[in-house]
Amino acid sequence: DIQMTQSPSSLSASVGDRVTITCRASQSISNYLNWYEQKPGKVPKLLIYAASTLQSGVPSRFSGSGSGTEFTLTISSLQPEDFAAYYCQQSYRPPFTFGPGTKVDIK
Amino acid sequence: EVQLVESGGGLVQPGGSLKLSCAASGFRFSGSAMHWVRQASGKGLEWVGRIRSKTNNYATTHGESLKGRFTISRDDSKNTAYLQMDSLETEDTAVYYCATPAQDVVATIEYWGRGILVTVSS
Repeated sequence: DIQMTQSPSSLSASVGDRVTITCRASQSISNYLNWYEQKPGKVPKLLIYAASTLQSGVPSRFSGSGSGTEFTLTISSLQPEDFAAYYCQQSYRPPFTFGPGTKVDIK
Repeated sequence: EVQLVESGGGLVQPGGSLKLSCAASGFRFSGSAMHWVRQASGKGLEWVGRIRSKTNNYATTHGESLKGRFTISRDDSKNTAYLQMDSLETEDTAVYYCATPAQDVVATIEYWGRGILVTVSS
């Protein structure tokens, strides 16, 4: 199985901050990497697929990069509605494992 | 509008069985893969498994940690996917989400149901 790790596991940031979350795969997954946002009590929402393609309707302050085994999700200017948990997931080969998540909260 | 509605959750004793259903609408169900994802309270997302479309021979794959206890199936005539869970353990307590990419080419999950709670307890 492909193992996914994320760092940090949590972070505190202020509105307006630039935030970067890293996701690593245990083997190369090309660009088969997705990012999801989940707010408390809500369903996960697809933000980015194929490592860097923004899902329709997602604000442009979100961006993704990377290929192979290392990927990043960047929020260029954190907004109040962005305080949530963020998960990466590989869709290269089943089982389609998720990373453990990164919780972003208010400093 | 894509809609996925899970049903069949509830309280079950350890060692018991439960079958979840996912009623789908708003997209071409027969041509789409269907996934199940679960989330224990306060924990992260865990991919449970996927069933592909008829074009891909209804192939199923499940998470390794499930040890063959869970089985995914589908009925295209009813636009419904199922998750049969056997030999349930307390660690299986979670919200179970039905989800789909609304196609069967790439595995990126785009749509999610609201989830249904399964509690395994004596």
